[in-house]
Amino acid sequence: GENVEQHPSTLSVQEGDSAVIKCTYSDSASNYFPWYKQELGKRPQLIIDIRSNVGEKKDQRIAVTLNKTAKHFSLHITETQPEDSAVYFCAACIKAAGNKLTFGGGTRVLVKP
Amino acid sequence: NAGVMQNPRHLVRRRGQEARLRCSPMKGHSHVYWYRQLPEEGLKFMVYLQKENIIDESGMPKERFSAEFPKEGPSILRIQQVVRGDSAAYFCASSPSQEIRTDTQYFGPGTRLTVL
Repeated sequence: GENVEQHPSTLSVQEGDSAVIKCTYSDSASNYFPWYKQELGKRPQLIIDIRSNVGEKKDQRIAVTLNKTAKHFSLHITETQPEDSAVYFCAACIKAAGNKLTFGGGTRVLVKP
Repeated sequence: NAGVMQNPRHLVRRRGQEARLRCSPMKGHSHVYWYRQLPEEGLKFMVYLQKENIIDESGMPKERFSAEFPKEGPSILRIQQVVRGDSAAYFCASSPSQEIRTDTQYFGPGTRLTVL
């Protein structure tokens, strides 16, 4: 089955700096890659997603890149703010195989003011 | 425009009791997924259901766990004879019915199960 690795497990950045989280996946059939933000005690919140027919997607301060050949994808957060502090999860999905999401282990991001 | 609803938000059970977790998907969504999150860990897929059908239960433990999504009413995840290792947050997600968006999943607030 699919396996998703996520790095780093923790990331501390100064407010205003950029944060980058990287994920690799094992199944080349995966074609949908969402990113979720989870604050303590809250639900995972979808922040951005990318499908295999594009290489990059941007939404304000957040961008995601996908390299299908290398089987990795990354989340980039620019101009970080204290409210960006949370745990971020990447996931991979094979839509034709039933939509189940396989999650990475998560990255705890701390933005220091 | 209510999101995914789950209840109860917190559930305490003693070992050997049954736990019933409920999930109402977003309006217009007919696909429901259950995930389990152990403390300080990521989310693990359990089961994927559509109305009256289990599509994929590859992540469900073979014993004590069952799920349903009846024609009317919420989806229910049922855990019989709970053990301490069942203590976790259980999240439900739903996705739209439109073919091009069925993979986009929105999560509910979760049910935090504590087994004493």
